[in-house]
Amino acid sequence: DQQVKQNSPSLSVQEGRISILNCDYTNSMFDYFLWYKKYPAEGPTFLISISSIKDKNEDGRFTVFLNKSAKHLSLHIVPSQPGDSAVYFCAASTTGTASKLTFGTGTRLQVTL
Amino acid sequence: DADVTQTPRNRITKTGKRIMLECSQTKGHDRMYWYRQDPGLGLRLIYYSFDVKDINKGEISDGYSVSRQAQAKFSLSLESAIPNQTALYFCATSDWTGRTDTQYFGPGTRLTVL
Repeated sequence: DQQVKQNSPSLSVQEGRISILNCDYTNSMFDYFLWYKKYPAEGPTFLISISSIKDKNEDGRFTVFLNKSAKHLSLHIVPSQPGDSAVYFCAASTTGTASKLTFGTGTRLQVTL
Repeated sequence: DADVTQTPRNRITKTGKRIMLECSQTKGHDRMYWYRQDPGLGLRLIYYSFDVKDINKGEISDGYSVSRQAQAKFSLSLESAIPNQTALYFCATSDWTGRTDTQYFGPGTRLTVL
């Protein structure tokens, strides 16, 4: 039972354009969401997060949007750069002392010149 | 220096062997985790520990055991390795803020069981 889904295994975007990565979740108890970026031969690195009390969080070129009614979040990267080419994982948790992360399967982003 | 280190980075072993993967952190975090990554399956939680005296099973703990030797050290053992344990293994730490829990990952160990 995949509670966090990233239905696009891969995405290719031209440099300078917007990259939009999508994530859907099924557990309505999730209230904290994160995006991680992973390069080959490295561990995932934290990118940006959003709490369910917000619908948008922005950090430089990265913006995460949360639509609670649709149980959907998206990561926007504007403008995309070749160094953004990586696998992006969406993760979700419930706040509280025993919170653990549930990860999606990842989307491989390729930013082309 | 890296905040979360894992040793070894790569390991090839044979079926039936006992293997230990080690994780150390300098972040001062109480919480530590072990995940495995398989192609197309994302990261799945094996075990986690919220402090030195606390050990909990994750979603795929069968065939694995852990030891939390100190706040900074969390090791994962495969008592008798089998080929379907071939995967990338990641250790992570986190510092619970009272509301949210962002995890920070080590570089990973690539394990191959022949």
